[in-house]
Amino acid sequence: AQSVTQLGSHVSVSEGALVLLRCNYSSSVPPYLFWYVQYPNQGLQLLLKYTTGATLVKGINGFEAEFKKSETSFHLTKPSAHMSDAAEYFCAVSDGNRDDKIIFGKGTRLHILP
Amino acid sequence: DTGVSQDPRHKITKRGQNVTFRCDPISEHNRLYWYRQTLGQGPEFLTYFQNEAQLEKSRLLSDRFSAERPKGSFSTLEIQRTEQGDSAMYLCASSLLGNAEAFFGQGTRLTVV
Repeated sequence: AQSVTQLGSHVSVSEGALVLLRCNYSSSVPPYLFWYVQYPNQGLQLLLKYTTGATLVKGINGFEAEFKKSETSFHLTKPSAHMSDAAEYFCAVSDGNRDDKIIFGKGTRLHILP
Repeated sequence: DTGVSQDPRHKITKRGQNVTFRCDPISEHNRLYWYRQTLGQGPEFLTYFQNEAQLEKSRLLSDRFSAERPKGSFSTLEIQRTEQGDSAMYLCASSLLGNAEAFFGQGTRLTVV
């Protein structure tokens, strides 16, 4: 079974500073990994995904994440935070062998300080 | 393509009543998922379909919950004898098998009073 742990339910960064949201996964098979973002009163939107191939994946709005198998991690980064990045971010995993259901972490709320 | 649509967007019901939600996936998406999300938590997997076949149902899910996707297109989620603990946002998502990207609807917010 797959699972995801997101470290830190709330993260605050100053506008213009580096954003780093941490995600560790557990999977006995090759995983598919995802980051979704949820803005207030809106649905979930895919930021980026890793399936196979290049371990550094780039997503929308300047976000990227790196799949590190040895660390079972898939941390999300953005070089320079913008006020509009304030939202809830969810890391998720699925079974890559079966293209299975997606299991989500509890989420990290990102606050941007002016 | 208008994306995943869910109806209704909001539902208030009295405890003990039955409720049914509808999800229309993106056309031609053969996978359809139901999730539940409570405040401050991530989406919790409930069940999913491939075409009309229900592939898995969460073991944590009460027997009061049932879902169908009779023709492999839209899906319904029914909750019988609602309880206050059922109050949550119910999310539907769809994907194309092999694409590994799920698209989510706006959700149905259920309040049980």
